[in-house]
Amino acid sequence: KAGVTQTPRYLIKTRGQQVTLSCSPISGHRSVSWYQQTPGQGLQFLFEYFSETQRNKGNFPGRFSGRQFSNSRSEMNVSTLELGDSALYLCASARRGTYGYTFGSGTRLTVV
Amino acid sequence: GQQLNQSPQSMFIQEGEDVSMNCTSSSIFNTWLWYKQDPGEGPVLLIALYKAGELTSNGRLTAQFGITRKDSFLNISASIPSDVGIYFCAGQPSSNTGNQFYFGTGTSLTVIP
Repeated sequence: KAGVTQTPRYLIKTRGQQVTLSCSPISGHRSVSWYQQTPGQGLQFLFEYFSETQRNKGNFPGRFSGRQFSNSRSEMNVSTLELGDSALYLCASARRGTYGYTFGSGTRLTVV
Repeated sequence: GQQLNQSPQSMFIQEGEDVSMNCTSSSIFNTWLWYKQDPGEGPVLLIALYKAGELTSNGRLTAQFGITRKDSFLNISASIPSDVGIYFCAGQPSSNTGNQFYFGTGTSLTVIP
């Protein structure tokens, strides 16, 4: 059974650019959540999508956005990148409720 | 955002020893999850807890959902070198609809052979 797949694994961007990260959930999982992990702030919730609708949103600026497609795949976008956006971005998917809340390996974003 | 109080922050133990760590929150939680994360990888789910008082095991790992619903505990028995990593607790507040988890700050475990 395939796990949660995140692409790309590594990314280097320049300040001011924008970036799109992709997440393919486990088959049958309709909930997709995104987290940012940094050494200073730990794991911080960005947003959650369920059936193409944003169901929850964390305390991040509007530069962070996301969407979910009809096949449950999700993308997140960060516009006007700042140095502080350098982090490991993790995606998690779940089936019914919170059951099997499984993370992908993440995308390591470095902003220079 | 809210973070859970996880302790201890780090542990250095001898192989074969037992390990205990815990998480506390000021809010009531519906779900507690425990994860292990290796460097450069995503967290791997170890144990999920859904009811107050629930005690669940996964091999040498045992976790409990506190009766007050504001805390959870993870125990590892007879530690081995591959237990090395960072352990995170994650909780879902009872006021939350959908999947939004708050994470502890992590416990870094080092096992000395």
